[in-house]
Amino acid sequence: DAGVIQSPRHEVTEMGQEVTLRCKPISGHNSLFWYRQTMMRGLELLIYFNNNVPIDDSGMPEDRFSAKMPNASFSTLKIQPSEPRDSAVYFCASSLYGRGERSPLHFGNGTRLTVT
Amino acid sequence: DQQVKQNSPSLSVQEGRISILNCDYTNSMFDYFLWYKKYPAEGPTFLISISSIKDKNEDGRFTVFLNKSAKHLSLHIVPSQPGDSAVYFCAASGDYFGTGTSLTVIP
Repeated sequence: DAGVIQSPRHEVTEMGQEVTLRCKPISGHNSLFWYRQTMMRGLELLIYFNNNVPIDDSGMPEDRFSAKMPNASFSTLKIQPSEPRDSAVYFCASSLYGRGERSPLHFGNGTRLTVT
Repeated sequence: DQQVKQNSPSLSVQEGRISILNCDYTNSMFDYFLWYKKYPAEGPTFLISISSIKDKNEDGRFTVFLNKSAKHLSLHIVPSQPGDSAVYFCAASGDYFGTGTSLTVIP
């Protein structure tokens, strides 16, 4: 089991540019989560997918953020246009069952985004 | 608004002593709690969990205690080892996370 795979590990971009973060969840997992880690808010849930369908996107900070899950093995988080305050570590996580069903989350190693 | 709070950003403990990490939550509907451990440049990994029907769960050196009336849980690590140095996140009902506590175990 390769675990949750995120790419790229690091992304440095200029303000105004489009950024796309990628995630491959663990095979067989039904749920996928995107988190953002900041010092002030810790791990902040951005969006939750179940069976490839976005269920809760209430954590997405602005319309500049969008996420897709075209199939069970791939998801993207896009920021357009990016701003310096988007600089953070973004984590993708998957779990075997649905939200709140007591299955731990399995996290990728994150993408460190720096917007200058 | 933060529904899960870890009020201590950092904690230092001598090797061999007990580490106690604390977590408070606001939503009485939360019925399952987890602790995750995170090393630098890695994602969090699951450590231990507890259901709201219990007040204690133990796994080796790690014990989690739950006080539902106080909406408080704690993670005890005994004895602490240098390899335990990491950031510890408390999570409620699967995906509500606290801000983390950075534990340093001093050899």
